[in-house]
Amino acid sequence: EAQVTQNPRYLITVTGKKLTVTCSQNMNHEYMSWYRQDPGLGLRQIYYSMNVEVTDKGDVPEGYKVSRKEKRNFPLILESPSPNQTSLYFCASSWRGNADTQYFGPGTRLTVL
Amino acid sequence: DAKTTQPNSMESNEEEPVHLPCNHSTISGTDYIHWYRQLPSQGPEYVIHGLTSNVNNRMASLAIAEDRKSSTLILHRATLRDAAVYYCILTTPYGGATNKLIFGTGTLLAVQP
Repeated sequence: EAQVTQNPRYLITVTGKKLTVTCSQNMNHEYMSWYRQDPGLGLRQIYYSMNVEVTDKGDVPEGYKVSRKEKRNFPLILESPSPNQTSLYFCASSWRGNADTQYFGPGTRLTVL
Repeated sequence: DAKTTQPNSMESNEEEPVHLPCNHSTISGTDYIHWYRQLPSQGPEYVIHGLTSNVNNRMASLAIAEDRKSSTLILHRATLRDAAVYYCILTTPYGGATNKLIFGTGTLLAVQP
């Protein structure tokens, strides 16, 4: 089954404790991206990747890092999480870019205390 | 980036057609019009997209104005499962200035039994 998986689905952590949210897709997609969703602000893109070793900032990249060492994986790294990064995070992938159909993961709900 | 404008909310009765409008007066000639929806507690899912001509698929129809400054997503027979937030998004094809995907606040569709 074609899908985008994210782990963990729920995470509660404390300020400053490094964490990684994993994202994996099994569709051989070149394009992957991360979004955060906050009440009243909608979905905002954090980072995207056009292909292996090619990443670029979205609209709200501050406080986040990403890497794309393999085509299928696109982890989101929070080196020093802060409470304002409490949010619902979605990973997405598509064949080549944002004009292609985006497949979204189920979401990761992160709480930073 | 070209923006879209949608009503905040709409209501429909079950098994009746629903017309969800979207204004995109600053659309460029190469922008695609995409529609996604987000069911409660899920990631967004693709609904339909088009460039100039009207489009139909198993989920919905997309009617695009001749000047492309507006479009309408049509759900032919709304069901309770169609209750979701619907996003109208403009996307730039490969090689465009940006590969971001910009979500607005969308239209919250309520379906009454």
